Amino acid sequence: GAVVSQHPSRVICKSGTSVKIECRSLDFQATTMFWYRQFPKQSLMLMATSNEGSKATYEQGVEKDKFLINHASLTLSTLTVTSAHPEDSSFYICSARWLSSYNEQFFGPGTRLTVL
Amino acid sequence: QKEVEQDPGPLSVPEGAIVSLNCTYSNSAFQYFMWYRQYSRKGPELLMYTYSSGNKEDGRFTAQVDKSSKYISLFIRDSQPSDSATYLCAMSEPSSASKIIFGSGTRLSIRP
Repeated sequence: GAVVSQHPSRVICKSGTSVKIECRSLDFQATTMFWYRQFPKQSLMLMATSNEGSKATYEQGVEKDKFLINHASLTLSTLTVTSAHPEDSSFYICSARWLSSYNEQFFGPGTRLTVL
Repeated sequence: QKEVEQDPGPLSVPEGAIVSLNCTYSNSAFQYFMWYRQYSRKGPELLMYTYSSGNKEDGRFTAQVDKSSKYISLFIRDSQPSDSATYLCAMSEPSSASKIIFGSGTRLSIRP
């Protein structure tokens, strides 16, 4: 149980375009979803926390207007990278938890974004 | 000073060896301690989850938490080449609103 999927797994786009990444909890209702960014050989950096039906809470230094997060249902959250630039190229990973899972998070497989 | 410190490695050991991975932390409010395994270009997978101090064993894996020293460990017995991955320690405070703070990860390689 507790499976989280992400789509797409890999995306290459041109500079200036927008990219949407989906995160789905397949067998549970995710009251909270998290979006992380990971650069090569570095740890996960939390970008934002989203609760279903609420606005996302962004970490310091993360631009809200650039990284749009929507958590419209208990099984789906989306991250849209707007006007992507090469420095946005990274590995984006989502995770999800349900109310009673407390601090235990289940991670998706990640999406590798390459901006040309 | 980072909240969680973890030696990035790489750590290379022969197959069958006992592996010891460690993290130190500075926030005494941390109560939940986790170890994740991450294969290259994949999302992290939860390996061990412990609350407060003590030991927890699951198969070849043993997690130890020493809150007095602010030190946690993960031991892997009879290591296998398939254990080769990056291991991330992680921890959080008791509040359900707390973020999980990750270590930088240790790259482990098991030589056949």
